[in-house]
Amino acid sequence: KNEVEQSPQNLTAQEGEFITINCSYSVGISALHWLQQHPGGGIVSLFMLSSGKKKHGRLIATINIQEKHSSLHITASHPRDSAVYICAVHLIQGAQKLVFGQGTRLTINP
Amino acid sequence: EAEVAQSPRYKITEKSQAVAFWCDPISGHATLYWYRQILGQGPELLVQFQDESVVDDSQLPKDRFSAERLKGVDSTLKIQPAELGDSAMYLCASSPDWPEAFFGQGTRLTVV
Repeated sequence: KNEVEQSPQNLTAQEGEFITINCSYSVGISALHWLQQHPGGGIVSLFMLSSGKKKHGRLIATINIQEKHSSLHITASHPRDSAVYICAVHLIQGAQKLVFGQGTRLTINP
Repeated sequence: EAEVAQSPRYKITEKSQAVAFWCDPISGHATLYWYRQILGQGPELLVQFQDESVVDDSQLPKDRFSAERLKGVDSTLKIQPAELGDSAMYLCASSPDWPEAFFGQGTRLTVV
């Protein structure tokens, strides 16, 4: 079992819909990243959080440390939101490195 | 805005050939990471540098892969000889301080 699991793996929705992507992890972490990867390949960090909730524009990220779960929400989704969204966690134990989920491929149709 | 620079963006090479990727981290970032991302999967760490020293290369296939960061600034990742299974996106990231990370655009390698 992977240390970081995302769901769903693929998500297709219509423009304007409210989107939720989930991330569950099984290890102790110090922080969690939500990352966006467009077809060109480059990764952009959307959020880094260790507790509570963060909001940036139409994006909202929440984390529940006790339940080892985080969600990324997109309100009023738009075709330009189409990308792969990746959850990555910083482990408490061991080397300072990120462990990544497998990603969620989001497609927003006009 | 400062960014992590990688080159080339795309590389096609024949199997058994040598190939090299370059990464220039954001100025002042002491930590540099190389990740490999196979299509449909999340990135996996290959090697982590702190300045010019290797901190973690436990997942680096050392029989064919090598990485260096001689002056603690830019870094090179080399594969020799390339195999078909090495086709992937190679991502470089740098960090000024734990746990921040900034990613480059990646180098997409296709081995034919």
